[in-house]
Amino acid sequence: SYELTQPPSVSVSPGQTARITCSGDALPKKFAYWYQQKSGQAPMLVIYDDIKRPSGIPERFSGSSSGTVATLTISGAQVEDEAHYYCYSTDISGNHWVFGGGTQLTVL
Amino acid sequence: QEQLVQSGAEVKTPGASVKVSCKASGFSFTSNYIHWVRQAPAQGLERMGLINPDTGSTTYDQKFQGRVAMTRDTSTSTLYMELSSLRSEDTAIYYCARAHCTSTSCYEGYYDLWGQGALVTVSS
Repeated sequence: SYELTQPPSVSVSPGQTARITCSGDALPKKFAYWYQQKSGQAPMLVIYDDIKRPSGIPERFSGSSSGTVATLTISGAQVEDEAHYYCYSTDISGNHWVFGGGTQLTVL
Repeated sequence: QEQLVQSGAEVKTPGASVKVSCKASGFSFTSNYIHWVRQAPAQGLERMGLINPDTGSTTYDQKFQGRVAMTRDTSTSTLYMELSSLRSEDTAIYYCARAHCTSTSCYEGYYDLWGQGALVTVSS
């Protein structure tokens, strides 16, 4: 079955740039979506179609994709950005949508 | 305002079934597909499938085929997800989520509205 691979954890100091990667064989052909989930809350989309930001999401959140790796970048990470981040995409058939295992971002 | 409000927590014994509801309000019930996503304790997210509230057609992820049924009641703008033959590994928070649509297209991976989640505990 299709898998998306993320690092379990990333840690940065406030104001630094955090980068979270997501690896998947179909990513050259399929878009990645990124969700932020804070403790006790439902997930919230921060990036769609690899690079687009929904309205209301701060500009410090950006996305990119190259080859089999999609990347979520948080420029000038803030304490309130501490959360789990999940990438989401589909296999090459478009029928099997999966989330990555999630990355715990620590900002301190 | 736009909302998806889910039913409350449930405790079930192994082998039983559970039916979680998701009531939509503040938007056109038939305009957006609704997906169901679950999250086991301290674990990641897992999509279960989706339903077209307009037609009732469904697509279930392979892992849940034969064990899940997603339905809707258009008279009450309510979606339902029923999972049968429950086992301990099904203990999770179950979310309904609305897929985002623009005037020209809909996004299968873009969820713009979520329910608050319903905790289902399977224990003997």
